[in-house]
Amino acid sequence: KAGVTQTPRYLIKTRGQQVTLSCSPISGHRSVSWYQQTPGQGLQFLFEYFSETQRNKGNFPGRFSGRQFSNSRSEMNVSTLELGDSALYLCASSTHPTGFYGYTFGSGTRLTVV
Amino acid sequence: GQQLNQSPQSMFIQEGEDVSMNCTSSSIFNTWLWYKQDPGEGPVLLIALYKAGELTSNGRLTAQFGITRKDSFLNISASIPSDVGIYFCAGQLERGGSQGNLIFGKGTKLSVKP
Repeated sequence: KAGVTQTPRYLIKTRGQQVTLSCSPISGHRSVSWYQQTPGQGLQFLFEYFSETQRNKGNFPGRFSGRQFSNSRSEMNVSTLELGDSALYLCASSTHPTGFYGYTFGSGTRLTVV
Repeated sequence: GQQLNQSPQSMFIQEGEDVSMNCTSSSIFNTWLWYKQDPGEGPVLLIALYKAGELTSNGRLTAQFGITRKDSFLNISASIPSDVGIYFCAGQLERGGSQGNLIFGKGTKLSVKP
């Protein structure tokens, strides 16, 4: 059974650009969550989707957006990149809409903004 | 919002030693989860706890869900070099908000004693 797949693994972007990250959940998982991980802040929640509906959204500026498709794949977009957006972006999927059985994480996308 | 206090922040281990870490919160959680993250990878679920008082083992790892549902501990017995990494606790909420359904601790970093 394939795990959670995130693409790309590494990305270097210039300040002011925009970026789209992709996440393919485990087959059958309809819940997808996104986290930003930085050394100083730990795991910060971005958004959570279940069956194409955004259920929760973290306290991030409007430059951060996401969506989920009918096949449960999800994308997140960051517009007008800032240096502080450099981080490991993690996607996680679950069978349960509220993550009762835990999340399975992907390996992440390492975004560097220069 | 809800917070998880995870301690210690970091610790050094010598091969063969037992290790203990814990998480406490002022909030009640439905589920307690323990994850391990290796450098450059996403967190991997080690143990999930679903009932207050539950004690669960996974090889050399043992974790307990506190009776009050506000705390949990993780023990690693007879540590080996591959135990090095960052361990996160997470509490699951039925109704997530801007923090999402899983609230994460800041992590305990395990390193090898020089």
